[in-house]
Amino acid sequence: NAGVTQTPKFQVLKTGQSMTLQCAQDMNHNSMYWYRQDPGMGLRLIYYSASEGTTDKGEVPNGYNVSRLNKREFSLRLESAAPSQTSVYFCAISESTGGSYNEQFFGPGTRLTVL
Amino acid sequence: TQLLEQSPQFLSIQEGENLTVYCNSSSVFSSLQWYRQEPGEGPVLLVTVVTGGEVKKLKRLTFQFGDARKDSSLHITAAQPGDTGLYLCAGSLGNQFYFGTGTSLTVIP
Repeated sequence: NAGVTQTPKFQVLKTGQSMTLQCAQDMNHNSMYWYRQDPGMGLRLIYYSASEGTTDKGEVPNGYNVSRLNKREFSLRLESAAPSQTSVYFCAISESTGGSYNEQFFGPGTRLTVL
Repeated sequence: TQLLEQSPQFLSIQEGENLTVYCNSSSVFSSLQWYRQEPGEGPVLLVTVVTGGEVKKLKRLTFQFGDARKDSSLHITAAQPGDTGLYLCAGSLGNQFYFGTGTSLTVIP
């Protein structure tokens, strides 16, 4: 029972290259999220999917696209990477969005460097 | 501009000391959570507070939600090296969580 898995763990890209970050869960939760974490900024929400078949923008969606492939999988795509997208990316899941006692479970993160 | 501001940003203390971390906002949240994150890992939930004025204790950690549900504090009594990590508050607003800027705590043996 891995919870939330992310691939790859590390990635180095050149400016303008594209890549997809993968996230998968085995907890049967409805909602999935993509965050980026930068020093002194905490975590900022990029996109989220409240349930299979829906996606919505978060605080910082520019330069990213997402796909909720099925209930288990939620991918984040960078079409043309920029140095400003150098960050640590976390996928998270929760039983649903909203609600007072909604706990988020996080994956181990993907460390992305864009040169 | 961050919706939630945490202070201090960095804290280095000796084992056995007490400390308080603050999480402040001008927004009202339906709930507020505290997470701890260790290097190379994702955050892990410590507690959720829901009611204004609510106080929750988790061993040596005491969490309080402000009366107006805009702010929160985390107090650690007799800190231990195992408490070292990044502490993050997160407020629930609609369908999203908004995270604070984080407090990096180092407890020196």
